[in-house]
Amino acid sequence: ETGVTQTPRHLVMGMTNKKSLKCEQHLGHNAMYWYKQSAKKPLELMFVYNFKEQTENNSVPSRFSPECPNSSHLFLHLHTLQPEDSALYLCASSQTLAELTDTQYFGPGTRLTVL
Amino acid sequence: AQTVTQSQPEMSVQEAETVTLSCTYDTSESDYYLFWYKQPPSRQMILVIRQEAYKQQNATENRFSVNFQKAAKSFSLKISDSQLGDAAMYFCAYRRPGNQFYFGTGTSLTVIP
Repeated sequence: ETGVTQTPRHLVMGMTNKKSLKCEQHLGHNAMYWYKQSAKKPLELMFVYNFKEQTENNSVPSRFSPECPNSSHLFLHLHTLQPEDSALYLCASSQTLAELTDTQYFGPGTRLTVL
Repeated sequence: AQTVTQSQPEMSVQEAETVTLSCTYDTSESDYYLFWYKQPPSRQMILVIRQEAYKQQNATENRFSVNFQKAAKSFSLKISDSQLGDAAMYFCAYRRPGNQFYFGTGTSLTVIP
């Protein structure tokens, strides 16, 4: 379970705070993903990066700002969040985007609570 | 639009017994992959099993097997000889060519000792 790590594991923030979530993968993968997991809802894909370039933004509000400085690291910068943004945020990585066979490897997630 | 439906929010099984988790999906693609992921209480999601749409033979991984019915767009997961460690949320996922994964809402499996 150490292939994809996420920090912090838990985060409580006020609506006016600025915080960042960090994801690091040690698998040599080229694609990284941010998902939002809320209770009783399907996982929602937020962003996709391939070779550090953003390839997908699923209509995510601008208060979520991703950053991918290299293929091993992915950040999610948070600013002026709303209580409904409280959720588990999962990072994942895969070898490529091109191959259907590529499996996604998930991190343990950051449990975010917005007060 | 591609959607994945898991109609069983919760399931339970007696230890050592067999349980089947249901999943249906909607797609107009002919080639795609289907996955079952397991998310234990520690929250790290791991792959259980995957199936390519072009393969008629059902995938099997030890005690885990699938029943893939392409025409019916059904992809159920069978867990044989259930163990306490199988207790988790199970997510069915569909991946179409290009990139996008689509996940269901999950089934929470309880294993009764």
